[in-house]
Amino acid sequence: DIVMTQSPLSLPVTPGEPASISCRSSQSLLHVNGNNYLDWYLQKPGQSPQLLIYLGSNRASGVPDRFSGSGSGTDFTLKISRVEAEDVGVYYCMQAQQGLYSFGQGTKLEIK
Amino acid sequence: QVQLVQSGPEVKKPGASVKVSCKASGYIFTTYAMHWVRQVPGQRPEWMGWINVAIGDTKYSQKFQGRVTITRDTSASTAYMELSNLTSEDTAVYYCVRSGYGGYAWDFWSQGTLVTVSS
Repeated sequence: DIVMTQSPLSLPVTPGEPASISCRSSQSLLHVNGNNYLDWYLQKPGQSPQLLIYLGSNRASGVPDRFSGSGSGTDFTLKISRVEAEDVGVYYCMQAQQGLYSFGQGTKLEIK
Repeated sequence: QVQLVQSGPEVKKPGASVKVSCKASGYIFTTYAMHWVRQVPGQRPEWMGWINVAIGDTKYSQKFQGRVTITRDTSASTAYMELSNLTSEDTAVYYCVRSGYGGYAWDFWSQGTLVTVSS
């Protein structure tokens, strides 16, 4: 099974400042077709998770452009260029290699 | 607009089974796969399995193989997840999730159904 490891697990951020979350997988998520099967989700307090980024770097519809995803293979990063109050919640990376799916432990972003 | 509406909360005894429904609207039901995911409060989500809604093929996580059954009724635009032989460790929120973006990502999540297993 592919194990996903995120860091940090807790991320206090001042509004307007940038934030970065790392996600590492125990196996490469780079498919022979050139896609990295890595998505990012945000679960706001009391809500269902919502898609932010898919295939490593593609923003989902309606996601603000302050969110960006990068990386390939086993190392991935989610960046928020300027954190806003509405960005609080738990961020999860999820791998979708080989038609099986697993999540990282989650990173809780809070506002300082 | 796309909506996935699940059945209400359930309370079950250990050893029982639970069947959760997920009614889809706002899109053509048979053109998107559906996944089922559960989340114990305070923990990361956990994938259970998925169904090719058009043809009914399924794939399950090894963890739940033999205990979970995912089905669909295309005439009712509804997917179902049945989990058997429940224990207290199955207490969680269960979500149906649509597979969008060409199958590359999960673009719509339901509101979830809390299943509580308690004697």
